[in-house]
Amino acid sequence: AQTVTQSQPEMSVQEAETVTLSCTYDTSESDYYLFWYKQPPSRQMILVIRQEAYKQQNATENRFSVNFQKAAKSFSLKISDSQLGDAAMYFCASLDGNQFYFGTGTSLTVIP
Amino acid sequence: NAGVMQNPRHLVRRRGQEARLRCSPMKGHSHVYWYRQLPEEGLKFMVYLQKENIIDESGMPKERFSAEFPKEGPSILRIQQVVRGDSAAYFCASSPTQGRGVYGYTFGSGTRLTVV
Repeated sequence: AQTVTQSQPEMSVQEAETVTLSCTYDTSESDYYLFWYKQPPSRQMILVIRQEAYKQQNATENRFSVNFQKAAKSFSLKISDSQLGDAAMYFCASLDGNQFYFGTGTSLTVIP
Repeated sequence: NAGVMQNPRHLVRRRGQEARLRCSPMKGHSHVYWYRQLPEEGLKFMVYLQKENIIDESGMPKERFSAEFPKEGPSILRIQQVVRGDSAAYFCASSPTQGRGVYGYTFGSGTRLTVV
């Protein structure tokens, strides 16, 4: 089994600023996948970004990017130019076989 | 493409009643997964099914919970004799294939079960 740890229950950021959400994981797999999901109040789980562990290059999706440190088993999410619509719970997750392992989430508040 | 459809969105049951949660996967998806989200927690895997087969039920409680994905119709997660501790959001996800990376893995909006 894998474990995923998010040590920041809550974070806040000023609109248009940058924020980084932390995540660490533990796995014995050599090849694995990591994800960030966004969960707004609507409860929908929205895929933000995904990283294949065998890829050296950090994944980027528009204003969202990750800092993947494989040796440290760290996978942080950076949100640039934060917008009010970014306010949500953010979950870090790893994929082992057919099942996801999720962290406990970080609640992000965006201050106008 | 309607996405993964779950119903009902909200379900209230009295202790001891049965709860039935439905999940229709995305069109073309033959793999279904159920997860449970307790308050203030992340989603936790319960069961993985393909049509007419349970592939992995390692996350299912041993008693009162069952799941099926029949040849025709939606996948059903069934909770018998519900207790207050079953109150949670139950999410379904589907994917077109099995395998590393599981591209196309898509979540529904969940069913919030409240046991009173």
